[in-house]
This record gives sequence, C-alpha cells and structure tokens, in this order.
Amino acid sequence: EPEVTQTPSHQVTQMGQEVILRCVPISNHLYFYWYRQILGQKVEFLVSFYNNEISEKSEIFDDQFSVERPDGSNFTLKIRSTKLEDSAMYFCASTNTRDRDTFGSGTRLTVV
Amino acid sequence: ELKVEQNPLFLSMQEGKNYTIYCNYSTTSDRLYWYRQDPGKSLESLFVLLSNGAVKQEGRLMASLDTKARLSTLHITAAVHDLSATYFCAVDMGGNKLVFGAGTILRVKS
Repeated sequence: EPEVTQTPSHQVTQMGQEVILRCVPISNHLYFYWYRQILGQKVEFLVSFYNNEISEKSEIFDDQFSVERPDGSNFTLKIRSTKLEDSAMYFCASTNTRDRDTFGSGTRLTVV
Repeated sequence: ELKVEQNPLFLSMQEGKNYTIYCNYSTTSDRLYWYRQDPGKSLESLFVLLSNGAVKQEGRLMASLDTKARLSTLHITAAVHDLSATYFCAVDMGGNKLVFGAGTILRVKS
C-alpha cells in the first residue's frame, strides 16, 4: 500500500537554528498538508498546499514557517529560528480527492 | 472561530460493550473526519462524512453526521481490545483547513 514518507523521524536542534522537515507524498496525490501535535495534545493544522501554492494556513503558520515542493516529489516544511515551543510531532499528509488522506509517520522535533 | 468539542475525553469500557463518542462543532461545515491514533504513532483516517445524515460503517465502528445539530457520533459496537486508541474528530473549515477535537482516549478492558 502506498505510503507517505517523512524524514528524519527525530530531529534535535538548538534554539534559533533552522530545520527542514521532509515529506514524500503519495505519487498521484495533489493535496498536501502539514500538521503538528505537541506531546499529549490535539493535532493542529498548519498549512495545506495545492497546485504548487499554499491554499490555506493557520494562525500558527507565521513568517517563521515556509513550505516548498522543490522537485515535484518532495514536500518540505522549513522552520526558521526555532523556539522551544516548536517542539512537537510534525505530520505530513496527502490526498488526491480531499477525501481520505494518508498521514506519514511523523517527525519528532525537539528544540533544546 | 470554529470550536470542536469531543466527549468523553477518556473512555474505559469492557470488551463486548457498546459506546458512543460525540463530536460537537460550533459553525457550519460540509465535511467531518474521524481518525484513530495509536500511542506514539501517526493518524489513520477512519471516515469522511460529507453530508447531513451520512452514515458510514467499518467493522465495529460506525460514524454519523447531523449537520443541523452540528454533531457527529462514533459508535463502537461490541468493543474489542484492539480498538484501544485515541480517536479524533476533525471539522473542515473550508479549503481542507481542519480543526481537530481534543481526542477521546479509549481503553477496552478484557
């Protein structure tokens, strides 16, 4: 069964550093998303991406965040100048119909 | 601002029993999702409900949507241990911008 692949599975970074989280969506999917989940809390929408541009973003997704689809297969989330409160699980998801989406296994980001 | 409330937040039930998880939301939406999350794992899509009166069933889980009441339910029939997980509902605000409920931790005891 096709999968959404996320790398790395765990990233530790110093506060103030930039991180790039990588996702390879399912190949025929058109809609891509990033979510985050602070440990033990609910899932929060960050951004949706369609047709090579952001279609929706949340209040959390401020100038510190950016997304790119650099080569037609990867979908990246960049966090500039990380803060302690950015520590969370970050999930990428994709779908082709806005119906059932497929989530990746997540990247655990720890900012120290 | 869309608010999504799930209850109960924690549910401990015996195997073989039935129970319902409720998801209330505060503004109109045409799309509601249910997800399952095992501890330390990713989310698994269970159901997408697209219209008023929609009902979907898979195995021991059945989800329904009442858009007029702004309520969705996830009904568990004859629970088994393997259903132990956290269940989230999520409401589409438009453009696939989802707002999630806090999640219901389900523990099924043998």
